[in-house]
Parts: sequence; structure tokens; C-alpha cells
Amino acid sequence: NAGVTQTPKFRVLKTGQSMTLLCAQDMNHEYMYWYRQDPGMGLRLIHYSVGEGTTAKGEVPDGYNVSRLKKQNFLLGLESAAPSQTSVYFCASSYQRGLAGYNEQFFGPGTRLTVL
Amino acid sequence: GNSVTQMEGPVTLSEEAFLTINCTYTATGYPSLFWYVQYPGEGLQLLLKATKADDKGSNKGFEATYRKETTSFHLEKGSVQVSDSAVYFCALDTGTASKLTFGTGTRLQVTL
Repeated sequence: NAGVTQTPKFRVLKTGQSMTLLCAQDMNHEYMYWYRQDPGMGLRLIHYSVGEGTTAKGEVPDGYNVSRLKKQNFLLGLESAAPSQTSVYFCASSYQRGLAGYNEQFFGPGTRLTVL
Repeated sequence: GNSVTQMEGPVTLSEEAFLTINCTYTATGYPSLFWYVQYPGEGLQLLLKATKADDKGSNKGFEATYRKETTSFHLEKGSVQVSDSAVYFCALDTGTASKLTFGTGTRLQVTL
């Protein structure tokens, strides 16, 4: 049981290049999330998904696109990278809210992206 | 809107010292509250939680009590260890689309 995995772990891009970050979970979770972590700003939600085939915007969605074609995968795309997108990106997943009444999110190890 | 405010870090303590990391929140309704911990080079993991007022969450010697009257959820530990060195995030879940709102994080450094 690998939990939440992210690919790649590190990446350096030049301004204007594109790339896709892959998140995979093997816990059969309904919900998946993409965050970015910047110094002094905590984690900010980029996009999220409440089920296969659905996506929604979070707090800072501009410059990013996402897709959830399979329940276990959540892809984050940068079409034209900018230096402001230099950050550490975390994927998370969780069960649909149920009897527990709360939402524990399980996080991947992160992807460190540098845009030059 | 919802927000979480944490004390600024870094916090530097000697081993076996008492730890308090303050967290206050603003939210509508009755949020669930969490503390997540991030060890160096890793993702976040849930440390403890409280889902209603006056609940006390506890794990690995850490505790936090959900205080609705003061909108606070301060993290405490009676005797910290070097292995507790990490970044601690306070977070709330108001139940809206299961999204979490995080504080900015507080770095804890414990020295021998």
C-alpha cells in the first residue's frame, strides 16, 4: 500500500515550458487535491476533485489545469510555466465525508519545481 | 471567509522543554480542527484532530483542545524531543466541499 505518490520529485523548467505533475493514490479515495507550499504562506489549494471526471477551482487556480480521468489519478498541468510558479507542490486525497464527520487528508511527498 | 492564524516561528526549544504553538481561527458554522506535522523532506501527516467544541485531540504526547469561546486550538506538549523538530500546521474543515484551510505553519527546532 503505497498511499499517495507523486511524480516527479524534482523538476527545473524554463519560463514558457509546459509540464504535468502526476498524483496517484491506491486508497480508493473519492477526493483529491493539489496544493502549493510557499515560504510564509502555508499551503494554498490550487484545484480539487470530488470524484472521477470532476474538478473544481481552489484558492489559486490561475496558470494551472487539472484532470481526473481515473479515480486513482489526479494530474496537474502547467501550460506555460512562470517563475512565480516556483514552489513545492503537494497532492492529497481523502475519503468522502462519512460517519466520521471530518475529512482527514493524506499527503504525497511533494514535487519541488523551479522555473527559471 | 475562513482563516487560520498561527504564531510565527521558528520556535527553538531545548529537549524536555514545554511546547505551546498558538492557533486561532475564523470560520462560519462549526468547523473540525486539525494539527498536521511535516517532517523534513516529507509531506504533511495528521497529528491530531477535534471535531466539536471542548473536544481534546491527542497523539504522540501532543494535545490540543477545541475552544469555541476563544476560537482557539493551541498545540501543547509537556516534554519535547529532538525528533519533534518539524513544521506544524493548524487547519480547519468547515465541511464545504471537504476543503481544508491551513495556517502558515510554525517551524519547531528542538536542540539537545
